[in-house]
Amino acid sequence: ETGVTQTPRHLVMGMTNKKSLKCEQHLGHNAMYWYKQSAKKPLELMFVYSLEERVENNSVPSRFSPECPNSSHLFLHLHTLQPEDSALYLCASSREAGGPSNIQYFGAGTRLSVL
Amino acid sequence: AQSVTQLGSHVSVSEGALVLLRCNYSSSVPPYLFWYVQYPNQGLQLLLKYTTGATLVKGINGFEAEFKKSETSFHLTKPSAHMSDAAEYFCAVSDTGGFKTIFGAGTRLFVKA
Repeated sequence: ETGVTQTPRHLVMGMTNKKSLKCEQHLGHNAMYWYKQSAKKPLELMFVYSLEERVENNSVPSRFSPECPNSSHLFLHLHTLQPEDSALYLCASSREAGGPSNIQYFGAGTRLSVL
Repeated sequence: AQSVTQLGSHVSVSEGALVLLRCNYSSSVPPYLFWYVQYPNQGLQLLLKYTTGATLVKGINGFEAEFKKSETSFHLTKPSAHMSDAAEYFCAVSDTGGFKTIFGAGTRLFVKA
């Protein structure tokens, strides 16, 4: 399998649940990203990891907790979410974080609904 | 701070007509500029990018964009629209040293038969 794979594709959860989103890249990239895509709003960068180290945390609420155990895997742990957190969550990877090599390759996303 | 403005959240063209999607950016340093496309139920994929050198950049699927520093613009064009071009298009900017790529709000392109 190649590219960036996200699981699950769809997730429905209650506000008291705990769930995790998974992202896996098979491109040998060193940087990985989480974005939130809401209707009629620009893509919001949430987190950036470079060589498994978090290099950007864009004022994201603590109910979102990222984890990058190695350069191929990225998780987003979710707990006590709010209905306004319902969105498409996109994972991306790039060869490096920043600069001209920062062509990002995106997964298809996880469509999250919080009830 | 960097920002991207895409003029028009929706653009509708007839099949065979010119496609023009507008993007203006602001950046305090020489920018890297990108256009991405998102088809339904898929993630974004790169159409083209500008880093340095030639200001007219050609991408996939017949798209091209021209970097105009004096106008701080990076508009996307295609001479003849095809039904398969219907998608959402995102302009993005990143600076030369940072980790962030800033995306515009997107423009949805509709192609009429």
